Amino acid sequence: AIQMTQSPSSLSASVGDRVTITCRASQGIRNDLGWYQQKPGKAPKLLIYAASSLQSGVPSRFSGSGSGTDFTLTISSLQPEDFATYYCLQDYNYPFTFGPGTKVDIK
Amino acid sequence: EVQLVESGGGLVQPGGSLRLSCAASGFTFSSYSMNWVRQAPGKGLEWVSYISSSSSTIYYADSVKGRFTISRDNAKNSLYLQMNSLRDEDTAVYYCAREARVAAQHDAFDIWGQGTMVTVSS
Repeated sequence: AIQMTQSPSSLSASVGDRVTITCRASQGIRNDLGWYQQKPGKAPKLLIYAASSLQSGVPSRFSGSGSGTDFTLTISSLQPEDFATYYCLQDYNYPFTFGPGTKVDIK
Repeated sequence: EVQLVESGGGLVQPGGSLRLSCAASGFTFSSYSMNWVRQAPGKGLEWVSYISSSSSTIYYADSVKGRFTISRDNAKNSLYLQMNSLRDEDTAVYYCAREARVAAQHDAFDIWGQGTMVTVSS
């Protein structure tokens, strides 16, 4: 199974900050990667698919990039509602695998 | 409104069984592949199982293979997860998730249910 890692595991940031989260796959997965946001007690929400495509309704401050093994999620200007945990998910092949998550909290 | 609603969770003893259901509404259920994803308390997300729209293709995580069975009834717009030989480590919130073809050759989990809690404990 493809292993996914994320860094950092957590970060503290302020409203307005630019935030970058990295996800790495144990083997090449083309651009078969999505990013999901999860708030406490809630289901995950799709933000980005195909590594860089913004899901409908998701604010444009979210962006994704990368291909192969290295991927990035960027929040250009952190908003209060963005404090959450972010997961990458490889959908290159089954078993699909999630990264361990990055928790973004308030500095 | 496009919606997924899970049910069937609860407290079960180790070695016991439980059947989860996921009721879909607001979209053509029979056109979509579906998945189960779980999350142990305080932990990350773990993909559990996949079923294609026609039930012709099924996959499981190694951690549940041979113990869990995914199925669906397109006439009832419902997805199921039969869980047998439950272990303490199966304790988690279980989510059903719709897998949509969001772009050419790209799928994603675009709709999620609210989750149902399964607790395995004596």
